[in-house]
Amino acid sequence: QVQLVESGGGVVQPGTSLRLSCAASGVTFSHSYFHWVRQAAGKGLEWVAFISSDGHNKYYADSAMGRFIISRDNSKNTLYLQMNNLGLGDTAIYHCATEGEAGSLDYWGQGTQVTVAS
Amino acid sequence: EIVLTQSPGTLSLSPGERATLSCRASQRVGSNYLAWYQQKPGQSPRLLIYGASSRATDIPDRFSGSGSGTDFTLTISGLEPEDFAVYYCQQYGSSPGTFGPGTKVDIK
Repeated sequence: QVQLVESGGGVVQPGTSLRLSCAASGVTFSHSYFHWVRQAAGKGLEWVAFISSDGHNKYYADSAMGRFIISRDNSKNTLYLQMNNLGLGDTAIYHCATEGEAGSLDYWGQGTQVTVAS
Repeated sequence: EIVLTQSPGTLSLSPGERATLSCRASQRVGSNYLAWYQQKPGQSPRLLIYGASSRATDIPDRFSGSGSGTDFTLTISGLEPEDFAVYYCQQYGSSPGTFGPGTKVDIK
């Protein structure tokens, strides 16, 4: 079955960087589109970024534009999110998800916690 | 950016009752790329409906989606105990993809 496992979260200070990873299994990784979605504690879901199967097309939320970079390594079945210049508002659980029919997100990982605190 | 508004914010119902959840978009959702998710505490979201009205794999038929353009509805025909959760709509007809703020369905 499909399994997505995020890692790389932690507690960091404002202005620093962090790279999240999402290891995928049970999917044809090189044919799959991926998204990152985050959720602050007690809040709703916020879409963060998208990457196409070949990595050529990438889209970002305004909150991520210019600071976050989504990438993938199809040889390692792994998705990444490089997050730079982190701020307090970036504190959240970050989920990776695969894109299914009609732009929906059909499989989700359990998420990795990112806490930005001084 | 398309803004999604969900109503009501909270829906208090009893098991067996019918739940009707609304999702309204600030602009037309292209190709009816509208999805619904269920999220329980401590869990990741689970896809229920995609393309406004198609049930995802293994989703019971008590869940149904309808609507087009800017107005969409998720209906749960008879609430089971495991259905009490938060429900989010999401559009990806245009980038950036956006989520609604959610509707909490709790036990009356």
